[in-house]
Amino acid sequence: NAGVTQTPKFQVLKTGQSMTLQCAQDMNHNSMYWYRQDPGMGLRLIYYSASEGTTDKGEVPNGYNVSRLNKREFSLRLESAAPSQTSVYFCASSAGGEEKLFFGSGTQLSVL
Amino acid sequence: GENVEQHPSTLSVQEGDSAVIKCTYSDSASNYFPWYKQELGKGPQLIIDIRSNVGEKKDQRIAVTLNKTAKHFSLHITETQPEDSAVYFCAANDYKLSFGAGTTVTVRA
Repeated sequence: NAGVTQTPKFQVLKTGQSMTLQCAQDMNHNSMYWYRQDPGMGLRLIYYSASEGTTDKGEVPNGYNVSRLNKREFSLRLESAAPSQTSVYFCASSAGGEEKLFFGSGTQLSVL
Repeated sequence: GENVEQHPSTLSVQEGDSAVIKCTYSDSASNYFPWYKQELGKGPQLIIDIRSNVGEKKDQRIAVTLNKTAKHFSLHITETQPEDSAVYFCAANDYKLSFGAGTTVTVRA
């Protein structure tokens, strides 16, 4: 049982480049989330999908887009990366609501 | 929106001693308070949670207490072991989940 799987684990981008972070869960969860983790700031919600077919903005959505491809997969896209987007990104899922979240192992992204 | 403050930012304890992490929140409407543990190179993992209608909850060596009047809640780890070394995050949920900044706990052998 893999839980929540994120790819890639590490990525280095140049300013202006684009990339997509992939996330998949095998727990049949309805809700999926993307967070970013920065030193001294805890975890901040970027976007979430309460159920298949819906997506909503979180606390820090600027510069990001998301796609809920199906019930299992939720991707995060950076269209034009900026140094301020250097962070560790976590995907999470839950049966419903931001309770009892299951997190992936993270993607460490550096934008130069 | 909710503002969660967490103290201390770092905590070093001798193996076998207790560790206490405290969090305060601002929104009296918050009704769900989880704690997550993050080991090096891994994602956060839920270790215990409490709802606003409960004052205390225990699970083996960990316990959480909630004081709704004062709007603070705490994580207590007893008989600490090396595997308790990690970053711990508190959070509070009114209509969305807000995380504290984290506490790095180091258990000295």
